[in-house]
Amino acid sequence: GAGVSQSPRYKVAKRGQDVALRCDPISGHVSLFWYQQALGQGPEFLTYFQNEAQLDKSGLPSDRFFAERPEGSVSTLKIQRTQQEDSAVYLCASSDKAIGTKNIQYFGAGTRLSVL
Amino acid sequence: QQPVQSPQAVILREGEDAVINCSSSKALYSVHWYRQKHGEAPVFLMILLKGGEQKGHDKISTSFNEKKQQSSLYLTASQLSYSGTYFCGTDSYGQNFVFGPGTRLSVLP
Repeated sequence: GAGVSQSPRYKVAKRGQDVALRCDPISGHVSLFWYQQALGQGPEFLTYFQNEAQLDKSGLPSDRFFAERPEGSVSTLKIQRTQQEDSAVYLCASSDKAIGTKNIQYFGAGTRLSVL
Repeated sequence: QQPVQSPQAVILREGEDAVINCSSSKALYSVHWYRQKHGEAPVFLMILLKGGEQKGHDKISTSFNEKKQQSSLYLTASQLSYSGTYFCGTDSYGQNFVFGPGTRLSVLP
């Protein structure tokens, strides 16, 4: 595809449910980032993949958050036992270069998660 | 550590100029600038690399003061389409990529 695609665009979950958010990066991009963006705030880093390797997961807020990118392309962010404070927009970005280089990030439109 | 952006918000008339600043307490490898409109994805504007190399939008200019670890984004002759929230993102040694809190820009007719 032409850009980064995220699905679903909107997700409503009941507290305690598990959710899975999908990111299809731009074809061939080696780097993939997940961010959490609360209303009126900047995106906050969650985790970073270089190909299939998860090189940094320091931003994941708890062990309920898990991300994978098994074949180095599509990535899934899973949140277990969702809580109200998990409500946010989850953004995915990809780049054709590794972090620490000229890694221009291209963002998807995000998934807006609402936990009731 | 999150970079600091100033101002938090600015309102302009079409055709006016604006400057948005981004500073960090850490030694930076690069500074990235993105613009986000409400409900949309952040869109890349400009990247500045240590050493002065720049790459990005041809109607926006930036500067990077390495001594102060500060970058400025210059918007000249603003258009209605410039409205949105501007984020700087910083890439520093030994730290993951971090976005600032954003500067909300409103351009009025």
